[in-house]
Amino acid sequence: AAGVIQSPRHLIKEKRETATLKCYPIPRHDTVYWYQQGPGQDPQFLISFYEKMQSDKGSIPDRFSAQQFSDYHSELNMSSLELGDSALYFCASSWDRGLGNTIYFGEGSWLTVV
Amino acid sequence: KNQVEQSPQSLIILEGKNCTLQCNYTVSPFSNLRWYKQDTGRGPVSLTIMTFSENTKSNGRYTATLDADTKQSSLHITASQLSDSASYICVVRGDTDKLIFGTGTRLQVFP
Repeated sequence: AAGVIQSPRHLIKEKRETATLKCYPIPRHDTVYWYQQGPGQDPQFLISFYEKMQSDKGSIPDRFSAQQFSDYHSELNMSSLELGDSALYFCASSWDRGLGNTIYFGEGSWLTVV
Repeated sequence: KNQVEQSPQSLIILEGKNCTLQCNYTVSPFSNLRWYKQDTGRGPVSLTIMTFSENTKSNGRYTATLDADTKQSSLHITASQLSDSASYICVVRGDTDKLIFGTGTRLQVFP
């Protein structure tokens, strides 16, 4: 069965550069979530989208922006990268905002800022 | 204070044995509680999801319980296998999209 696809899997950027992560949800899923997991930390909720509109917002820095496109894929744009942005970024998807439904996570995108 | 606390922090068992992991939460309002299995550096994999009215739910060798009154949940693993070695995370959802992750239990299964 198709899973949540994230790209790239690994990314190395320098400070102050910009990075874009992509997420392709499971077909027919209308909700996408972004999480950031630092080394040894719990995943932290960044932002979510339902039917291409921002649904909820967590601890997403102002330097980051995201959107969900007409084909339901989502992109997380990160600018002015800082060393502390180095983390594993998870995308997850579900049907109908995951209310009572399984939320499926991708394998994550490793971002290293040097 | 974390709104979702798990115990034990780590656990070592022998292959074939059973084990039970605990989760206490203070999240309110409460929507549902999920158990995920996560291998290091990999995405969490859903095991169970339970709503307020559900007390027990099974998924193969995994059985989750929920007591919404005491705000406690447990995950019981039967006849453990080496592949069960991973972190098990209790995740609670309130009334927003945000999932609140527990501290996790690191399980190691030895032959």
